[in-house]
Amino acid sequence: AQSVTQPDIHITVSEGASLELRCNYSYGATPYLFWYVQSPGQGLQLLLKYFSGDTLVQGIKGFEAEFKRSQSSFNLRKPSVHWSDAAEYFCAVVPSGGSYIPTFGRGTSLIVHP
Amino acid sequence: EPEVTQTPSHQVTQMGQEVILRCVPISNHLYFYWYRQILGQKVEFLVSFYNNEISEKSEIFDDQFSVERPDGSNFTLKIRSTKLEDSAMYFCASSLDRTDYGYTFGSGTRLTVV
Repeated sequence: AQSVTQPDIHITVSEGASLELRCNYSYGATPYLFWYVQSPGQGLQLLLKYFSGDTLVQGIKGFEAEFKRSQSSFNLRKPSVHWSDAAEYFCAVVPSGGSYIPTFGRGTSLIVHP
Repeated sequence: EPEVTQTPSHQVTQMGQEVILRCVPISNHLYFYWYRQILGQKVEFLVSFYNNEISEKSEIFDDQFSVERPDGSNFTLKIRSTKLEDSAMYFCASSLDRTDYGYTFGSGTRLTVV
């Protein structure tokens, strides 16, 4: 079955440390891939997206993500986390050639320690 | 920056009651969406709306649900007879085009059915 998985429900990092949030998908062809962030009391905001081409994608707020076809993954990274990055992060997938509607993962809650 | 506005931010309703969740999408956007997230679970697609009609809906969006754009600015989700399992965060989103994956999301309405 087609799905998108975020295996980590919570991630805790210290401020200034690096961050990697995992996302795996299960689709026949390479889908379109997205990362959204939801800060407390806010709506979901698009961080970055991958459609094709360069597999390393730069986004807003210093985030990047790398598409790895062999691992069916699209992990989100940031070299140095700030306290304001504490939020819920959602990976989303749109199957290429199918519905235009994104399917979201369950989210990963990022906790940042001072 | 334009934003999607949702009201109320939190609604408590008794089981069996009708509830209407309201959204004001971005004014020049043409596509409108409702998603929901039950606590601890994935963000799930409910319905998309374009040109005053439903363009796609999920299996969750049964006869108990309806959407409407009653005027030029509001987009509403009605649940006719609420069940306990309808308790969730409901997100409205809008986009300029259906391939414009930079959806703008509202901050959500937390619906609690008691």
